[in-house]
Amino acid sequence: LAKTTQPISMDSYEGQEVNITCSHNNIATNDYITWYQQFPSQGPRFIIQGYKTKVTNEVASLFIPADRKSSTLSLPRVSLSDTAVYYCLVGGTGPGGAGNKLTFGGGTRVLVKP
Amino acid sequence: EAQVTQNPRYLITVTGKKLTVTCSQNMNHEYMSWYRQDPGLGLRQIYYSMNVEVTDKGDVPEGYKVSRKEKRNFPLILESPSPNQTSLYFCASSNIPPGANVLTFGAGSRLTVL
Repeated sequence: LAKTTQPISMDSYEGQEVNITCSHNNIATNDYITWYQQFPSQGPRFIIQGYKTKVTNEVASLFIPADRKSSTLSLPRVSLSDTAVYYCLVGGTGPGGAGNKLTFGGGTRVLVKP
Repeated sequence: EAQVTQNPRYLITVTGKKLTVTCSQNMNHEYMSWYRQDPGLGLRQIYYSMNVEVTDKGDVPEGYKVSRKEKRNFPLILESPSPNQTSLYFCASSNIPPGANVLTFGAGSRLTVL
């Protein structure tokens, strides 16, 4: 199982770009990288998923270097409503179904200030 | 609307009084799982299920039971709750493998054991 490490927290200001890096040194060949966003007292919700290089959708970008040992979630021009906890999850099929047991990292608490 | 529904959303109980938290999904997902969330500890997986009658332990299964008799339902059972099971619980579902697909989470169930 790929263990993930993220910063505990980071502060930003409205309109700035926020970049959160997740380390996953023992990522397996068939593992995907998925980011979730969680607001207080709500369930996490999907933001973006990738396998390699760069993925972009309407809310974020995900950068994955060639060695795939880390990934960076980029939130462009954040607003106050982006204040949340962001989780990186690494998993896939895994040998013998090991990828079905999911281990989330501790999450990164992002505070966007006016 | 595609969703995961948990009940109850809030519950206060006493030590030793058996309780069940229900989870139901309407997306025909094979994979279902339970997590607990405690301050500073992120999301920790309790149990997961790959399909009907197939369940397995996550990282923190002690004190919990689950069953998967129907594809859409995955109840979490606390046979004899203790105060250290006071937590926020989330159910989630996805297609398989979960690491390569998108998890849909329920709204959460806040449990207090006195």
